[in-house]
Amino acid sequence: AQSVTQLDSQVPVFEEAPVELRCNYSSSVSVYLFWYVQYPNQGLQLLLKYLSGSTLVESINGFEAEFNKSQTSFHLRKPSVHISDTAEYFCAVMISGGYQKVTFGTGTKLQVIP
Amino acid sequence: DVKVTQSSRYLVKRTGEKVFLECVQDMDHENMFWYRQDPGLGLRLIYFSYDVKMKEKGDIPEGYSVSREKKERFSLILESASTNQTSMYLCASSPRTGAKPGANVLTFGAGSRLTVL
Repeated sequence: AQSVTQLDSQVPVFEEAPVELRCNYSSSVSVYLFWYVQYPNQGLQLLLKYLSGSTLVESINGFEAEFNKSQTSFHLRKPSVHISDTAEYFCAVMISGGYQKVTFGTGTKLQVIP
Repeated sequence: DVKVTQSSRYLVKRTGEKVFLECVQDMDHENMFWYRQDPGLGLRLIYFSYDVKMKEKGDIPEGYSVSREKKERFSLILESASTNQTSMYLCASSPRTGAKPGANVLTFGAGSRLTVL
């Protein structure tokens, strides 16, 4: 079975500073990797995904994540955060070619401080 | 845009009551999911369905059942609600792998916050 670890439950960061949210996964087979974001009082929405190809994937609002197979990691980064990035971020994994069952991490709350 | 609609945003029920949470999606997705979200625990899968009348247990199915009589609707049922089922419940859907654009990506509803007293 696959699993996801997000070690940081909360990350405070000043506006315009860089941020990294860590995600490690465990699986014995090939996986797809995702980051979802949940803004206050909303459901989750996809931020970015890695299915295959380039190991560096980007979102439309400046986030990026790099798939590192040897370290089984998929850390999320942004070089300069905005107040509007305040949200909870969930890393998720899905076994490729399976029933599309997605396993989520416990989430990291990003608090951007003005 | 894909839309996943959960019928109730907030519910308050008493211990022992039967609770129905309804979810409807409008994009002809084959797969539908029910998760519960609790602080510090993230999202945990309760049940999922990959076709009409089909269901599979997730990681925490105890105390819950589901129904999928139509492709667009997936219901979560708490036969006898208990206080430890107080939580945020999230419904999601996705197209079957390779079948449509957006495959492998979950689209979520806004959630149903259930309080059991």
